[in-house]
Amino acid sequence: DAGVIQSPRHEVTEMGQEVTLRCKPISGHNSLFWYRQTMMRGLELLIYFNNNVPIDDSGMPEDRFSAKMPNASFSTLKIQPSEPRDSAVYFCASEGGRTDTQYFGPGTRLTVL
Amino acid sequence: KQEVTQIPAALSVPEGENLVLNCSFTDSAIYNLQWFRQDPGKGLTSLLLIQSSQREQTSGRLNASLDKSSGRSTLYIAASQPGDSATYLCAVPGTYKYIFGTGTRLKVLA
Repeated sequence: DAGVIQSPRHEVTEMGQEVTLRCKPISGHNSLFWYRQTMMRGLELLIYFNNNVPIDDSGMPEDRFSAKMPNASFSTLKIQPSEPRDSAVYFCASEGGRTDTQYFGPGTRLTVL
Repeated sequence: KQEVTQIPAALSVPEGENLVLNCSFTDSAIYNLQWFRQDPGKGLTSLLLIQSSQREQTSGRLNASLDKSSGRSTLYIAASQPGDSATYLCAVPGTYKYIFGTGTRLKVLA
């Protein structure tokens, strides 16, 4: 398996633009997590899906953020409109099978100018 | 509310030294604890997973211990190498999610 795949790896955009981050979890995993990492706040969970259903979105900072998981092999995190304070690295992770381990993707480094 | 703290925040050691990274958590009702490694600009890689029924786990030069009663875990790295330079994070499961410490940034000097 190729592991968790995220795209794009880097995104630079201007304030006010819409940003869409993509994630493909490991095949067979039934849990998917979106995290955000900044120097100030460390690694924070934004939203957690189980069997494609959002279970906990309490970490989503505000209504500008939305996430979807239309099927077991794809998820998106959308920010609209984006703001400079959204600049961070966004990680997707998946978990499932017989382990309790979360497997992380390489992350998307977002810069909002 | 579970809080996870890691000390030191940064550590610089000469190659070959044995070292210990510390992780403490406030709520001892956990069912496992994980140690992760993060290289600059990269994602997280799971190093060791300790179940609550275990006291330690070993993988190569790494040994992680867990003391739930005192709310502490340590990651011991033997005979450190420059390739061990990275940020090490511990994480404990909360409700539906992992709660991460802020990490220890390790630099092993050649």
